[in-house]
Amino acid sequence: DVKVTQSSRYLVKRTGEKVFLECVQDMDHENMFWYRQDPGLGLRLIYFSYDVKMKEKGDIPEGYSVSREKKERFSLILESASTNQTSMYLCASTKDRVSYEQYFGPGTRLTVT
Amino acid sequence: KQEVTQIPAALSVPEGENLVLNCSFTDSAIYNLQWFRQDPGKGLTSLLLIQSSQREQTSGRLNASLDKSSGRSTLYIAASQPGDSATYLCAVRRANNDMRFGAGTRLTVKP
Repeated sequence: DVKVTQSSRYLVKRTGEKVFLECVQDMDHENMFWYRQDPGLGLRLIYFSYDVKMKEKGDIPEGYSVSREKKERFSLILESASTNQTSMYLCASTKDRVSYEQYFGPGTRLTVT
Repeated sequence: KQEVTQIPAALSVPEGENLVLNCSFTDSAIYNLQWFRQDPGKGLTSLLLIQSSQREQTSGRLNASLDKSSGRSTLYIAASQPGDSATYLCAVRRANNDMRFGAGTRLTVKP
């Protein structure tokens, strides 16, 4: 079974703090994604990566950055957290661009106060 | 722009009923469609993936159909159980390699 893990289930941070969310997949998948999920807005894509050291912006990249130094790990960085970044963050991976069945991690609920 | 709509937003049924969840999308140029289940406060679990060339996929009590030309997919759940209670989301993969999600249908199966 594919396993996607996220470093924290719950996080509480203060406004202005730098926040790191980590995602690791153990099935040698090429593609990794970061989404946020908000009531009434559904899932929205923040960033994705098709390869190591490669990243592309999704629909809502503002206020976020990402890092993919190793194939199995994709990090989401909030440079200066704000209250409107309080959300559920979901990481996903797919084997390649052909199969494209997405596997999700358990999610990180981030609260910025 | 691809829009994905799921109707109804919420559904409550007694245990044992067969039910259908609907998903519609505006742009038929999709590569595949995926149905997910999400339990409260948890991540998404993949249920079924239908490639654009396929008409349906089955897994146990679940059957998903795809009609690309009309922009519709249905998820059929047979003999529903309380353990099926969750939010069900559909997502379509667009030709440019990103996915669009519906807002989900929240299903409650009453014992």
